Amino acid sequence: SAVISQKPSRDICQRGTSLTIQCQVDSQVTMMFWYRQQPGQSLTLIATANQGSEATYESGFVIDKFPISRPNLTFSTLTVSNMSPEDSSIYLCSVEGGPNEASEQYFGPGTRLTVT
Amino acid sequence: QKEVEQNSGPLSVPEGAIASLNCTYSDRGSQSFFWYRQYSGKSPELIMFIYSNGDKEDGRFTAQLNKASQYVSLLIRDSQPSDSATYLCAVNSYQLTFGKGTKLSVIP
Repeated sequence: SAVISQKPSRDICQRGTSLTIQCQVDSQVTMMFWYRQQPGQSLTLIATANQGSEATYESGFVIDKFPISRPNLTFSTLTVSNMSPEDSSIYLCSVEGGPNEASEQYFGPGTRLTVT
Repeated sequence: QKEVEQNSGPLSVPEGAIASLNCTYSDRGSQSFFWYRQYSGKSPELIMFIYSNGDKEDGRFTAQLNKASQYVSLLIRDSQPSDSATYLCAVNSYQLTFGKGTKLSVIP
């Protein structure tokens, strides 16, 4: 499976500021995904990022709040804008694909964000 | 709305026993099914996937799928303390939908 890295691994930010999270993959992938995992909760899909096209956002998530870039097949960024304490969460990127046909996803190590 | 349901646990089993984790899903059109293991403070790790009815075995893990009952399970044989984690069930129709996870505790 692909090796995925994320930067930063954690950050503490003040409300009203923005943070950009980077996701780097060691191989070219078509589909990249951004998830949020709030404390004690499961994973919620924020958006799907395909190279060369606009990201597709899930219900409850908007581009102004979570702008995404996907400049090439190995890299994506997610920005959390105008942060509030409710944005405190773990943000995870994932990629789809592997040697199997089940469209499995593999996750990066995550970015733990705390907003004060 | 597509839903994936799991018992939140905690599920406690003694070391060496079989741990049985269950998951139901609402979308009959779902095609593939996944089990992820998540240790505290870590990201989810894929441990099993299944897309055909029946059983699929991989080492100490067996995934079971019954599409008619919309039910998927994960059996862990000879449970070890290192298996203590939260297990997330995920179901793929057009996107991956996760359950809330079952916390497993294996008691030495």
